[in-house]
Amino acid sequence: EAGVAQSPRYKIIEKRQSVAFWCNPISGHATLYWYQQILGQGPKLLIQFQNNGVVDDSQLPKDRFSAERLKGVDSTLKIQPAKLEDSAVYLCASKPGRTTHEQFFGPGTRLTVL
Amino acid sequence: GDSVTQMEGPVTLSEEAFLTINCTYTATGYPSLFWYVQYPGEGLQLLLKATKADDKGSNKGFEATYRKETTSFHLEKGSVQVSDSAVYFCALSGGGATGNQFYFGTGTSLTVIP
Repeated sequence: EAGVAQSPRYKIIEKRQSVAFWCNPISGHATLYWYQQILGQGPKLLIQFQNNGVVDDSQLPKDRFSAERLKGVDSTLKIQPAKLEDSAVYLCASKPGRTTHEQFFGPGTRLTVL
Repeated sequence: GDSVTQMEGPVTLSEEAFLTINCTYTATGYPSLFWYVQYPGEGLQLLLKATKADDKGSNKGFEATYRKETTSFHLEKGSVQVSDSAVYFCALSGGGATGNQFYFGTGTSLTVIP
């Protein structure tokens, strides 16, 4: 079974530029998460989707971050404009449904904002 | 709100030494508890889990028992190997707006030397 795919793996941009990350969850997984992991910290949830609907985006900085999951499969996370403090690893995770607990993580995208 | 407090690292052990990584949690309700492991350059992988009080999760020689009375979920292994070198994250599920949000600890880096 293929795992969660993310691209790109690495991205370097200058502050005030825009960037987008892509995630392809495990086939059939209804729930998709985006996390931000700052160096030395644990992952922090940004947004949770159930199929193509947003379930929880309470910790998403909506003035600059946006995410969508069209057709309930792939998802993109965008930052516009980026700030220095956005430098982090952005993790995508998925799980089959709302009642199961285990999340399956992708390898992450490491973003450096200069 | 819900949270996880994890033993700070880094931890350095000799091969075959006994490992304990402490984890305590704060939660309303009855969360599920997890240990995830992150090997260098890879995404997070589920190591073990426990979904109710007194459950013991185990995998690859690692164990953790869900202790409701002490709100703890300490990770233990009797004899570590060099291949166990990684970052370990304690997490809980069951909080947030949906009752389904994950909260991660800050991670504990383990290095095992031959």
